[in-house]
Amino acid sequence: ILNVEQSPQSLHVQEGDSTNFTCSFPSSNFYALHWYRWETAKSPEALFVMTLNGDEKKKGRISATLNTKEGYSYLYIKGSQPEDSATYLCAFMDTGRRALTFGSGTRLQVQP
Amino acid sequence: DSGVTQTPKHLITATGQRVTLRCSPRSGDLSVYWYQQSLDQGLQFLIQYYNGEERAKGNILERFSAQQFPDLHSELNLSSLELGDSALYFCASSPRTSGTDTQYFGPGTRLTVL
Repeated sequence: ILNVEQSPQSLHVQEGDSTNFTCSFPSSNFYALHWYRWETAKSPEALFVMTLNGDEKKKGRISATLNTKEGYSYLYIKGSQPEDSATYLCAFMDTGRRALTFGSGTRLQVQP
Repeated sequence: DSGVTQTPKHLITATGQRVTLRCSPRSGDLSVYWYQQSLDQGLQFLIQYYNGEERAKGNILERFSAQQFPDLHSELNLSSLELGDSALYFCASSPRTSGTDTQYFGPGTRLTVL
C-alpha cells in the first residue's frame, strides 16, 4: 500500500497571507505527482502534473516544487484570497502501478 | 466545466440492489478512470479503461464492474449493494494513458444505499 501524506490537515489563514503545505510520498519508483484543487460541491480540478526532480510549476499565485529523491512536494499560495478556499489534494503515481494514489488533502480556509 | 459528464447526479437505492453509473469523457479523450470517495476515506482509484480495454485496476470490489464502449463512454456497475457502498463516485478522463496526462474530473454521482 502506497503512503501519500499531506500536512497540515487543515489551515485557516487571513486574506493576504501566504501559505504552503506539504505532500510526502515514497521516494522510490517515482513516476509523477499531481496536484488538484477541490472546492466544496464541485469536482477536483487539476493544478499541476510534476515529473522531474527539482521541477517548479506556477499558475498565477499558486506554485509547486518537487523533490523526488526525498519524496516531497510543496504547494505555495502567495497572497491568499477567499476564493482560494478549497481542499488541495496531491496524488502520486509510481512506475509500477500507473494509477494515482491520493493523499487525504489539506483543507484551506481564507478569511476575508 | 471539465467537459466530462456523469449521470445520474444522485442515486438512492436499497441494499442488495444493482445500479449503473454512466460517464462520458471529454471529446477526444481515450482514457476513463473511476474513483470512489467515501466519508471516511480519500479518493480511491477503482479502475481505468483506455480505448475500450481495461488498463489498470485498483481497489475495486468483485461486486463492481466497469466497461468502456466503442463511443468511449463508460459505465460502472455496482451490484449487491451494501450500506458501505454509499459514496461519491467520480469519473475522470485524459487524452491518453500516460500518468503524466492531466485527468479531468466529472461532477460525480452521489450514491446513497439505504
